[in-house]
Amino acid sequence: QVQLVQSGAEVKKPGASVKVSCKASGYSFTSYDINWVRQATGQGPEWMGRMNPNNGDTDYEQKFQGRVTMTRNTSISTAYMELSSLRSEDTAVYFCARGRESVTTYFDSWGQGTPVTVSS
Amino acid sequence: SYELTQPPSVSVSPGQTARITCSGDGLSKQYGNWYRQKAGQAPVMVMYKDSERPSGIPERFSGSSSGTTVTLTISGVQAEDEADYYCQSADNSRIYVIFGGGTKLTVL
Repeated sequence: QVQLVQSGAEVKKPGASVKVSCKASGYSFTSYDINWVRQATGQGPEWMGRMNPNNGDTDYEQKFQGRVTMTRNTSISTAYMELSSLRSEDTAVYFCARGRESVTTYFDSWGQGTPVTVSS
Repeated sequence: SYELTQPPSVSVSPGQTARITCSGDGLSKQYGNWYRQKAGQAPVMVMYKDSERPSGIPERFSGSSSGTTVTLTISGVQAEDEADYYCQSADNSRIYVIFGGGTKLTVL
């Protein structure tokens, strides 16, 4: 079955960077986009961007442009999301999700989430 | 940028029907998708392309669309359906993904 397994919780200081991994199994990794979504406590999900694992092409939400980088290692079916210049407002749970393309993207499988805490 | 608007809360008694709406101008051209999220867990897709139900989701879940509003209907609500529900769509470029603010479903 489709599984997305993410790396563990992170604690970072303001100004630092964090890199979260998302290992896919149960399907052809290069056939579906990997999206990243974050959720602060008590808030709704917030889409950060997507990456095409086949060619590495990315689309980033404008809010994160310049601070986020999404990459992949196809040999180990793993996607990565790196967020730099962290601030306290970046404290959230970060999810990867497999994107299915229709007229409108939808997310049929999610990772378990990676809590990221930004604190001095 | 456009927004998706959901009611903050919906309350129903067990066995009744819950209807959760999601409104946004872009929904006249884009599909709406729905996710259920329980505390401390990842979201789970319960409806896609307005009215398509994924395998494993009970038949009591259904979806519909009219104009700029999509609706998730849960018939015969059970205690286990208590959760936060989020709608999701995309802007007209189909590039940028948008989530609604979420609706907390309470089973009385």
